[in-house]
Amino acid sequence: KQEVTQIPAALSVPEGENLVLNCSFTDSAIYNLQWFRQDPGKGLTSLLLIQSSQREQTSGRLNASLDKSSGRSTLYIAASQPGDSATYLCAVKPDSGYSTLTFGKGTMLLVSP
Amino acid sequence: NAGVTQTPKFRVLKTGQSMTLLCAQDMNHEYMYWYRQDPGMGLRLIHYSVGEGTTAKGEVPDGYNVSRLKKQNFLLGLESAAPSQTSVYFCASNTRDTTTEAFFGQGTRLTVV
Repeated sequence: KQEVTQIPAALSVPEGENLVLNCSFTDSAIYNLQWFRQDPGKGLTSLLLIQSSQREQTSGRLNASLDKSSGRSTLYIAASQPGDSATYLCAVKPDSGYSTLTFGKGTMLLVSP
Repeated sequence: NAGVTQTPKFRVLKTGQSMTLLCAQDMNHEYMYWYRQDPGMGLRLIHYSVGEGTTAKGEVPDGYNVSRLKKQNFLLGLESAAPSQTSVYFCASNTRDTTTEAFFGQGTRLTVV
């Protein structure tokens, strides 16, 4: 059974810092990995999607990397802002069976002004 | 473009009552999913559907039923609500193309007293 772990569970940083969120998964047989953002009381917003054949994806100040063989992904946020405060979730899609996502429990990020 | 819409957004039920949560998507997606999100547990898959008229069990299906009579709608039913079903419920949809991202609704916060 696929298990997804996110470290740290919570992170507090001052504005302007660069930071890294970690995601690891136990089964490397994945189609892709997706990073989401969730604001309090809201739904999930997709940030980046990395295919299993890719090493990284970038969107603005966000960069996600994927090392499929070692079962790891990182989300790098450059020059953090208070508006980045949210919970960040990673999810993997298996390469067998139907496409159901397995989620980590998330990293709660607080960026202070 | 509404994306994924969940109805209702909030609901309070008494133990033993029944209700149906509606998920509607306007993106012509084949796959639809129901998740529940609980503190410390992350998102867990309840049921999913890979097309109109099909449903399948996820990780935590007990106490729930689903139907996919129309491609754009995925209904989640609670026949006899229990306090353990107090949670935030999310619907998601995806195309059959495994390279594409999943889209989520804004969630339904259900409290069973």
